[in-house]
Amino acid sequence: EDKVVQSPLSLVVHEGDTVTLNCSYEVTNFRSLLWYKQEKKAPTFLFMLTSSGIEKKSGRLSSILDKKELSSILNITATQTGDSAIYLCAVDKTTDSWGKLQFGAGTQVVVTP
Amino acid sequence: KAGVTQTPRYLIKTRGQQVTLSCSPISGHRSVSWYQQTPGQGLQFLFEYFSETQRNKGNFPGRFSGRQFSNSRSEMNVSTLELGDSALYLCASKGQPNTEAFFGQGTRLTVV
Repeated sequence: EDKVVQSPLSLVVHEGDTVTLNCSYEVTNFRSLLWYKQEKKAPTFLFMLTSSGIEKKSGRLSSILDKKELSSILNITATQTGDSAIYLCAVDKTTDSWGKLQFGAGTQVVVTP
Repeated sequence: KAGVTQTPRYLIKTRGQQVTLSCSPISGHRSVSWYQQTPGQGLQFLFEYFSETQRNKGNFPGRFSGRQFSNSRSEMNVSTLELGDSALYLCASKGQPNTEAFFGQGTRLTVV
């Protein structure tokens, strides 16, 4: 059975701290891994990773995929209160129709002033 | 361009009733997927429609159904509502394979 596991499930940090979120997956026919941020309702897209070892960056956020370890990390540096959200990891498979994503449980991040 | 639009935003229904939710994808996107999000189960895939055909279905009972129209708008229907169907229902559209899915704001369904 395919699995997508995120850790930790929740964490609280102070503004300015660095946060590292983990996503591990056990899926057959892996195609890509995606990160989303969910603040209230609509998850918003952060990164899509298909190749191992290539870091993607956007401002203070970055992510990298390790296909050998079947995992990915999402880093947030110099955290701000606006980074408080649920961060979702999802996997896309080559054998599935391209509209289907399998999500992990998410990591709830709270950034305190 | 306009994003994914879901209506209504909130619904309260009684057990045993049925409900229909609507999703209008981003213009030009033909893939529309539906997800159920609950605190205990997270985001779970319900089904995907592409060019009016269901091409993938998650592990949900037959009470959950959907359809897609020629303009790519999609509806999902839940019949004989149960308390456990209370959830945030999210719709996502996608324009091409190997691209990200764009999500709507969701419909918050409460079954009492």
